[in-house]
Amino acid sequence: DAGVTQSPTHLIKTRGQHVTLRCSPISGHKSVSWYQQVLGQGPQFIFQYYEKEERGRGNFPDRFSARQFPNYSSELNVNALLLGDSALYLCASSLELGGRTGELFFGEGSRLTVL
Amino acid sequence: KQEVTQIPAALSVPEGENLVLNCSFTDSAIYNLQWFRQDPGKGLTSLLLIQSSQREQTSGRLNASLDKSSGRSTLYIAASQPGDSATYLCAVRDNYGQNFVFGPGTRLSVLP
Repeated sequence: DAGVTQSPTHLIKTRGQHVTLRCSPISGHKSVSWYQQVLGQGPQFIFQYYEKEERGRGNFPDRFSARQFPNYSSELNVNALLLGDSALYLCASSLELGGRTGELFFGEGSRLTVL
Repeated sequence: KQEVTQIPAALSVPEGENLVLNCSFTDSAIYNLQWFRQDPGKGLTSLLLIQSSQREQTSGRLNASLDKSSGRSTLYIAASQPGDSATYLCAVRDNYGQNFVFGPGTRLSVLP
């Protein structure tokens, strides 16, 4: 079975541009979360979606937005890119929200570099 | 606000040693705790998930314990191997939100 897949794996943008990152969860998983990981730090929570509804939002500016589609895949959008947005963006899926089924499974991430 | 710390920040050991990685969290009202492994430039691989009602979980050479009241978890790795070299992260999900809060990780090097 395929794990969590993310695209693109690497991308380079310039300040002020917009980026869209995509994530496909493990088959059957209904929840998708997005995390930002800056080099040398642990991942920081950005968004969580479950059954196409936003269930949680971290402390990120409104330039960050996301959505989940009927097939449970998800997009993360970042507008007006800043140098500080350079990071590894990780997508995680889980079967449900809690209990043993709340275990998170991560993709390989999308490495964003903003010049 | 939940905060997670991990000690030590880095660790270098010879092959074959048993070792312990520590994770501390400030709010004991957690829902569960998960340990991950991350290889350089890669995503996170789930190692063990411990529910708040559990004291420990085991998988192969790995054993994770949880002491909610003291806000601590430990990851025990038996008979370490060079292939265990990676960064190990712990993350807690509290009772108030749906997201996990991560620690900064422990970077482990196992020397052959």
